[in-house]
Amino acid sequence: EAGVAQSPRYKIIEKRQSVAFWCNPISGHATLYWYQQILGQGPKLLIQFQNNGVVDDSQLPKDRFSAERLKGVDSTLKIQPAKLEDSAVYLCASSLDTSIRELFFGEGSRLTVL
Amino acid sequence: SQQGEEDPQALSIQEGENATMNCSYKTSINNLQWYRQNSGRGLVHLILIRSNEREKHSGRLRVTLDTSKKSSSLLITASRAADTASYFCATYSGAGSYQLTFGKGTKLSVIP
Repeated sequence: EAGVAQSPRYKIIEKRQSVAFWCNPISGHATLYWYQQILGQGPKLLIQFQNNGVVDDSQLPKDRFSAERLKGVDSTLKIQPAKLEDSAVYLCASSLDTSIRELFFGEGSRLTVL
Repeated sequence: SQQGEEDPQALSIQEGENATMNCSYKTSINNLQWYRQNSGRGLVHLILIRSNEREKHSGRLRVTLDTSKKSSSLLITASRAADTASYFCATYSGAGSYQLTFGKGTKLSVIP
């Protein structure tokens, strides 16, 4: 079974530039999550989708972050404009549904903002 | 905010020894999960323990849950160098919540 795919693995940009991350979840998984993990901390949920609808985006900085999950499959997370404090690893995860189940994570996309 | 808090923040042991990590949380839970993260990689689910369970085993892993103390522990027996990683506990934030919240993690180093 293929795992959660993410790209790019690494990205370096200057502040005020924009960046986009892509995620393809495990086939058949209805729920998709984007987490932000700052160095030395645990992952923090940014947004959660159930199929192509948003379940929770309460911690997403909506003035600069946006995410979409067209057709309920893959998803894109965008940051525009980026700030220095956005330097982090962006982790995508998926699960069968929103009920209490284990999450499957991708390898993450490491963002460095200079 | 982070629901779970792991203790210690870092742990260094010799190969073959046991490693114990603790997690405390604040609100009532339906279940508690433990994940492992190798350096530069994504998180991997290890074990889930439900609120009505007190202990669960999986291979060399043993997890306990004490809901009266709002705490859990993860024991890795006969540790190996390959167990070197960060370990996180995760819980759902509250009644009806689908947001899985992670602690800051315990960084385990197993010295060969």
